[in-house]
Amino acid sequence: QVLLVQSGGEVKRPGASVKVSCKASGYTFSDFDIHWVRQVAGQGLEGMGRMSPRSGHTVYRQKFQGRVTMTTDTPTSTAYMELNNLTSEDTAVYYCARGRYSGYDLGYWGQGTLVTVSS
Amino acid sequence: QSVLTQPPSVSGAPRQRVAISCSGSSSNIGSNVVNWYQQVPGKAPKLLIYYDDLLTSGVSDRFSGSKSGTSASLAISGLQSEDEADYFCATWDDSLNGWIFGAGTKLTVL
Repeated sequence: QVLLVQSGGEVKRPGASVKVSCKASGYTFSDFDIHWVRQVAGQGLEGMGRMSPRSGHTVYRQKFQGRVTMTTDTPTSTAYMELNNLTSEDTAVYYCARGRYSGYDLGYWGQGTLVTVSS
Repeated sequence: QSVLTQPPSVSGAPRQRVAISCSGSSSNIGSNVVNWYQQVPGKAPKLLIYYDDLLTSGVSDRFSGSKSGTSASLAISGLQSEDEADYFCATWDDSLNGWIFGAGTKLTVL
């Protein structure tokens, strides 16, 4: 079955960077884009961007342009999301996800990684 | 403030039917497909409805979706206590280059 397993929670200082990993299994990694979505506690969800493991093409939400970098490592079927210059507003649960039926749904999700930014 | 507008909460008695609305604009719902997700506390969202009105495999057929113009709706019939959760609509926004979600609707089964 399709599984996306994320790295553990992180605590960072303001101004620091965080890199979250997402290890995929149960399918051919290069066949599906990896999406990143975050959720601030008690609030809604927010898409951050997507990356194609096959082509290396990335699409970043305008809000995160210049501050986020998404990469993939096909031999290990692992995707990474790095967010720089963290502020307290970046405290959130970060999810990786994959389409189930097409490139326009998020049918499989990782378990989430809590990133806490605090001085 | 979410780009997609949902009611903060809805409620219904067991076996009743409820509907959750999702209102957007021509740049998002009006030009892209809508998905619906269910989320229980501490868990990742779960895809219920994709491509506006298609039911994810394994999801109860008590859930159904529809879309008209720049609005979408999720209906849940035969309410059960296990349906208590937060429900989010979502679509791709071409101008923002990303997924946008409604703020979520908390369903309470009375």
